[in-house]
Amino acid sequence: SAVISQKPSRDICQRGTSLTIQCQVDSQVTMMFWYRQQPGQSLTLIATANQGSEATYESGFVIDKFPISRPNLTFSTLTVSNMSPEDSSIYLCSVDMRAGELFFGEGSRLTVL
Amino acid sequence: AQKVTQAQTEISVVEKEDVTLDCVYETRDTTYYLFWYKQPPSGELVFLIRRNSFDEQNEISGRYSWNFQKSTSSFNFTITASQVVDSAVYFCALMGEYGNKLVFGAGTILRVKS
Repeated sequence: SAVISQKPSRDICQRGTSLTIQCQVDSQVTMMFWYRQQPGQSLTLIATANQGSEATYESGFVIDKFPISRPNLTFSTLTVSNMSPEDSSIYLCSVDMRAGELFFGEGSRLTVL
Repeated sequence: AQKVTQAQTEISVVEKEDVTLDCVYETRDTTYYLFWYKQPPSGELVFLIRRNSFDEQNEISGRYSWNFQKSTSSFNFTITASQVVDSAVYFCALMGEYGNKLVFGAGTILRVKS
């Protein structure tokens, strides 16, 4: 398995502001993923972040709203830009340790007022 | 398209009862992977199992067991002698042959009462 740390674990934000979530892994991984879990809902993939290339976004998610950085093989950030109450969710970082075994961070719970 | 259906929205059992969580999936891929995750109230997602499409053997891990039936496209999860600590949301997920994208079911809330 992997130790995946996310910061912040939770935050309360004002409408119109932006927040950057960090994901740190204790080993080098090729692929990192960002998921969103809206209240009472299942998880939806936002994007795949590969080191050295631009993130690949899923349908319904765009780079301007959710810019992602992947500066090295152990770290990634997701920014939620110009937040609205609809962005209130748990955002989870996930890594592929080997051949499809995906592990998740503890999540970052965002509340937008 | 890939899809995972967890028809049971919520299940309540009394401690020590056995409980089965259903998962039905749809995919056109020949090779695929099925997962179960547990999400306790604290929010983190705990990996429980991954099964590939070529391995239909049932698996048992302690009080947990999984029944994979390709003929019915199902991957059901049974908890034997449930405990209060088993209370959580359980997600079934599917990964196709290409890429690493997980498609999640809606989740089943399991409440185990003492």
